[in-house]
Parts: sequence; C-alpha cells; structure tokens
Amino acid sequence: DTAVSQTPKYLVTQMGNDKSIKCEQNLGHDTMYWYKQDSKKFLKIMFSYNNKELIINETVPNRFSPKSPDKAHLNLHINSLELGDSAVYFCASSQAGGAGDTQYFGPGTRLTVL
Amino acid sequence: GQQLNQSPQSMFIQEGEDVSMNCTSSSIFNTWLWYKQDPGEGPVLLIALYKAGELTSNGRLTAQFGITRKDSFLNISASIPSDVGIYFCAGRESGGSYIPTFGRGTSLIVHP
Repeated sequence: DTAVSQTPKYLVTQMGNDKSIKCEQNLGHDTMYWYKQDSKKFLKIMFSYNNKELIINETVPNRFSPKSPDKAHLNLHINSLELGDSAVYFCASSQAGGAGDTQYFGPGTRLTVL
Repeated sequence: GQQLNQSPQSMFIQEGEDVSMNCTSSSIFNTWLWYKQDPGEGPVLLIALYKAGELTSNGRLTAQFGITRKDSFLNISASIPSDVGIYFCAGRESGGSYIPTFGRGTSLIVHP
C-alpha cells in the first residue's frame, strides 16, 4: 500500500493555465507538507498543514493555494502558471509536526510549464 | 536563517569502494537526518540522529552527529550499484522550526 500518494506523476501545461496536484496519505498522520525541488535538486518547504490548519507558508507566491479538505489530504492549486514554476513538487506527511518527527515523502509530481 | 553546506556535490566511484559525505551548518542543530532519493522517487529517511556524538548504523550506512552539533557525516561501506541516488542531509536548528532544512544533496554514481 502506498503511504503518501500524489497525482498526477507528470503535468505538462502552458503558461497562464491553472492546475492542481492532489496528495493523500494513509498513515494517519496529522501534519502534511508541500516541497518544491528545483532543477538543481534543492528541496524547499512551501507549506505545512497540521490537522487541516495552515501552520507554515514560506514566502510562496499567492498563486499557490493549498487546500486540506481533511487531514489525510493536502492538495495544491496553482493559478496563472509561470515558467519558473517548473519543478518537481513533493508532498510529505509526518505524525505530529514535532522535533522527533519523521517525514514520509510522496513520489513527486514533475510540473513542466511551456 | 541557518545554512547547510553539503559536500561533495557529486561522487563517481567503483563498486566496492567506501563513500563519505558530510554536512555542516552555520548554527547549532538538535536533529540531523540523512535521506536518499532514488531517480523519479521522493526522499526516504535512512538515519536520524538526535544527540551530539551519536553514531548510528543502518546496514552498510553509518552516520554521526558531530560533537559541535554543527556537522554530521554519512559513510557507505562496500558500495553497490543500487546505492546510486542523491543523498540529502537535513537538520533542525536548536530552538527553531520543527521543519528540517535540507542540504543541496550529494549525487552518487556507482560504476559496476
């Protein structure tokens, strides 16, 4: 069984479009995250949600809007896509968002903006 | 904010060789984590360290939490082709956010 799943795996779209990436975790964790991995493989935290509540928003443009319908899901909606949004986006989850937490990552969604 | 310097950036080795990589931070950390990312996959936690001086092994992997609390290293012994991937260190700053900061990764290629 997949612990953290994301869809789609690949997403190719034109500049200016709006797209969504879905994430689900079946681990019973309270905290979920979105990371962006750029072409140089740098992993940068974008958002953290704890029990459906936004905890951290790391200076991400407001074109990016995460939505958490329940604590097992954290979707990422992106408006007016730009070339610089091309990257791999990883969803992750952890038990409680604490110092001893282990983050479990999804397989990633490769977004290409043309 | 804290900065993590991870080195080397990449390594090309022969199967059977030992590998060593390290991370240093500009501030004191209370947690060091080592992840591996296989091509096309998300990072997977290999080893977590929570105490200065702690030395932990996971099969052929050994990681240590530096005494100064500002560094950590990961060793891989007797490398095999499936060790190929990107290895990331990550750490939590003492008194800082619970979300770890990631290093820029070490890309490992193992030649059979």
